[in-house]
Amino acid sequence: GNSVTQMEGPVTLSEEAFLTINCTYTATGYPSLFWYVQYPGEGLQLLLKATKADDKGSNKGFEATYRKETTSFHLEKGSVQVSDSAVYFCALSDKKKNSGAGSYQLTFGKGTKLSVIP
Amino acid sequence: DGGITQSPKYLFRKEGQNVTLSCEQNLNHDAMYWYRQDPGQGLRLIYYSQIVNDFQKGDIAEGYSVSREKKESFPLTVTSAQKNPTAFYLCASSIEGINTEAFFGQGTRLTVV
Repeated sequence: GNSVTQMEGPVTLSEEAFLTINCTYTATGYPSLFWYVQYPGEGLQLLLKATKADDKGSNKGFEATYRKETTSFHLEKGSVQVSDSAVYFCALSDKKKNSGAGSYQLTFGKGTKLSVIP
Repeated sequence: DGGITQSPKYLFRKEGQNVTLSCEQNLNHDAMYWYRQDPGQGLRLIYYSQIVNDFQKGDIAEGYSVSREKKESFPLTVTSAQKNPTAFYLCASSIEGINTEAFFGQGTRLTVV
């Protein structure tokens, strides 16, 4: 089945440091890939996405490139801020196994908690 | 503004009681989902529904029940059969499609006392 593996947290960085959160996936089809962010006590928000190989998703200074050859979708940001402190989830969307057309499943990683200190 | 509304934000329940969590969306999405979030576990799918009057079990459906009588509403009942119900519950909706994102509500934190 499908699975998403993220680097273990928590990750603690100083303000303006470079961020990388690793994400690799296993999928039977050709998935779309997503990064979601969750601020304390809230639901998840979409941060960025990529729908095919070599696509780069970007938003708010965050970037991730869909690498089919390494089945990876690592999240990066050049200079983090205190306001970036949150939990980050990597996810994939793929067709449900043995399903008909129009039936898709979203699979999440376990999340990586990021703390940025001034 | 369009979005998903979950209520209440905090809920306390005595052991042995059933409790229903509300989820309403005005995004005109066909698909709706319930996830459970525990520390260090990520999100686990409880139930999902692709269309009105139809729903499917997810990975951890035991002890939960849902209904989908209206397109905009997908309530979740946590029954007394759920052995460890204390958790953060998230409702989501999406347009059915491989490229589309899921939109999440703010969540309900359920505590059994």
